[in-house]
Amino acid sequence: DIQITQSPSSLSASVGDRVTITCRASHDISNYLAWYQQKPGKVPKLLIFLASALRSGVPPRFSGSGSGTDFTLTISSLQPDDVATYYCQKYNSAPWTFGQGTNLEI
Amino acid sequence: QVQVVETGGGVVQPGKALRLSCAVSGFSFSDYGMLWVRQAPGKGPEWVAVIWHDGISTYYGDSVKGRFTISRDTSENTVYLQMNRLRVEDTAVYYCVRDLGRLRFLGLAEYWGQGTPVTVSS
Repeated sequence: DIQITQSPSSLSASVGDRVTITCRASHDISNYLAWYQQKPGKVPKLLIFLASALRSGVPPRFSGSGSGTDFTLTISSLQPDDVATYYCQKYNSAPWTFGQGTNLEI
Repeated sequence: QVQVVETGGGVVQPGKALRLSCAVSGFSFSDYGMLWVRQAPGKGPEWVAVIWHDGISTYYGDSVKGRFTISRDTSENTVYLQMNRLRVEDTAVYYCVRDLGRLRFLGLAEYWGQGTPVTVSS
């Protein structure tokens, strides 16, 4: 199975900061990479798919990039509402593995 | 709007069985694949089972293969997860989720229910 490694596991930043989270696949997954946001006590929410396509309604400060094995989620200007755990997920084939998560704090 | 509502969770002893139900509305049920995803306390989500929109193809995670069965009833707009021979490590919140793809499975968890907790303990 393809392994997904997400880093860092936790991150503290200030309002207005540019934040980057990375996700690495052990083998080429093309651009079949998604990002989810899970706010405290809430269910995960799909933010980005196809590595860089923003789901409707997601603020444009969120962006995704990458292909093959290396991917990034960037928040251009961190807002208090962005406090959450972020997960990447591969979906080129089963198993559709999630990363270990990045806990983002302000 | 899309609604996904899980029921059936609870506390059960190891080795016992439990059936989860997921009632959906707000979309054409027979057009979408449905998933069960679980999340143990303090852990990331884990795909448990998938059933394609045709109700024929299914997928199971290695940790539940041979013990869990996913099914769907189009007349009731409901998805089920039959969980047999439960283990302590199956303890988690179980989410029913609709896939993003219409008439083709994409592997993207778009609409999530609020989850139903399952605790396996003696």
